[in-house]
Amino acid sequence: AQKVTQAQTEISVVEKEDVTLDCVYETRDTTYYLFWYKQPPSGELVFLIRRNSFDEQNEISGRYSWNFQKSTSSFNFTITASQVVDSAVYFCALRGPSTSYGKLTFGQGTILTVHP
Amino acid sequence: GAGVSQTPSNKVTEKGKYVELRCDPISGHTALYWYRQSLGQGPEFLIYFQGTGAADDSGLPNDRFFAVRPEGSVSTLKIQRTERGDSAVYLCASSPRGGASTDTQYFGPGTRLTVL
Repeated sequence: AQKVTQAQTEISVVEKEDVTLDCVYETRDTTYYLFWYKQPPSGELVFLIRRNSFDEQNEISGRYSWNFQKSTSSFNFTITASQVVDSAVYFCALRGPSTSYGKLTFGQGTILTVHP
Repeated sequence: GAGVSQTPSNKVTEKGKYVELRCDPISGHTALYWYRQSLGQGPEFLIYFQGTGAADDSGLPNDRFFAVRPEGSVSTLKIQRTERGDSAVYLCASSPRGGASTDTQYFGPGTRLTVL
């Protein structure tokens, strides 16, 4: 079975602080894909990143960076110099061949509030 | 180009009634997915279509739920004899190929269903 755990239910920071959102996953697949999505107050899930299990290089995109560690089954997301517009719910998700690369298994989400 | 669209955006119905929720995927996307998101939770998979056929319907909670995609484009999620526990946001997503390891799902804004 696949499982994604986001232990942080809510995080509150002040603008310009750095913040890291944790994601831990479980899967029996040896090859799999991990995702982060952002859900702003409007409700639409916005795709942020896809990472495959055989590429452990960290990735940076502007103020966003992702740290994938297969040894600890973690795929953490860091926002540097946070802004009010980063306030949203962030979801980590997993997909693999055991479900025909069909369904995404999501974590519970982390509510991020960035105060001015 | 246009993203995934869903109608209606809000639906209020009474317990025991029948409802239909519609999803228009991104043009050219062969795969379509339905998820359900309860308050404070991550999206939960319901069903996945590859073309016109359901490739995986393991997430449908019971036989009151049914979905179709007759021409391989628009999909309708049908719920019979609605119950208060069906209240949630129903999300639709589409992806270019489906069943492919590198595929990414793009989500619509969702339909908020309230069963009184």
